[in-house]
Amino acid sequence: AQSVTQLDSQVPVFEEAPVELRCNYSSSVSVYLFWYVQYPNQGLQLLLKYLSGSTLVKGINGFEAEFNKSQTSFHLRKPSVHISDTAEYFCAVSPLLYSGGGADGLTFGKGTHLIIQP
Amino acid sequence: DGGITQSPKYLFRKEGQNVTLSCEQNLNHDAMYWYRQDPGQGLRLIYYSQIVNDFQKGDIAEGYSVSREKKESFPLTVTSAQKNPTAFYLCASRWGVDQPQHFGDGTRLSIL
Repeated sequence: AQSVTQLDSQVPVFEEAPVELRCNYSSSVSVYLFWYVQYPNQGLQLLLKYLSGSTLVKGINGFEAEFNKSQTSFHLRKPSVHISDTAEYFCAVSPLLYSGGGADGLTFGKGTHLIIQP
Repeated sequence: DGGITQSPKYLFRKEGQNVTLSCEQNLNHDAMYWYRQDPGQGLRLIYYSQIVNDFQKGDIAEGYSVSREKKESFPLTVTSAQKNPTAFYLCASRWGVDQPQHFGDGTRLSIL
């Protein structure tokens, strides 16, 4: 089984400042990692994903994330945020080898609300 | 455009009434999912289906039922046994475990 911990439920930051949203996971097997964004009253939209290869992953809207296997982390970063980045952000993991049992392994964190202050 | 369509966007339920939320996808995905979202609790899995005519309970299946008669459709029924149905419901689908889920825009269910 996997678990995902998003360390901050809310992150306030001033416009044009950098931001980091933290995500740690626990898993007994190797995993794929995802970040999603949710705007109010909408579904989730994929920001980026890590499947293999380079540990620095670039996504949409200027976001990037770095996979750190030793620290089991997948923190999301943006060098300069805009008002339009105000949203809920979810980290999720999925095991590489789905054994066929259980809920096919996709596990979400509880989300981080990014609040951009002018 | 390919995607997932959830309807209606807003739904109201009377006490003792069953209601059905629609989810249709034209992405040709085998796997489909229903989540419930409450403030501060993230997404909790209600039911999922990996193939037509088969589905499995998720973490909070009590008071809900589903069917999967067609690949494109995965409707969710919120029964009168679900005592606290007020929430935002999200439907998703995906190809496989190495692929991200695609989400619909959700249905917000409230009690009258």
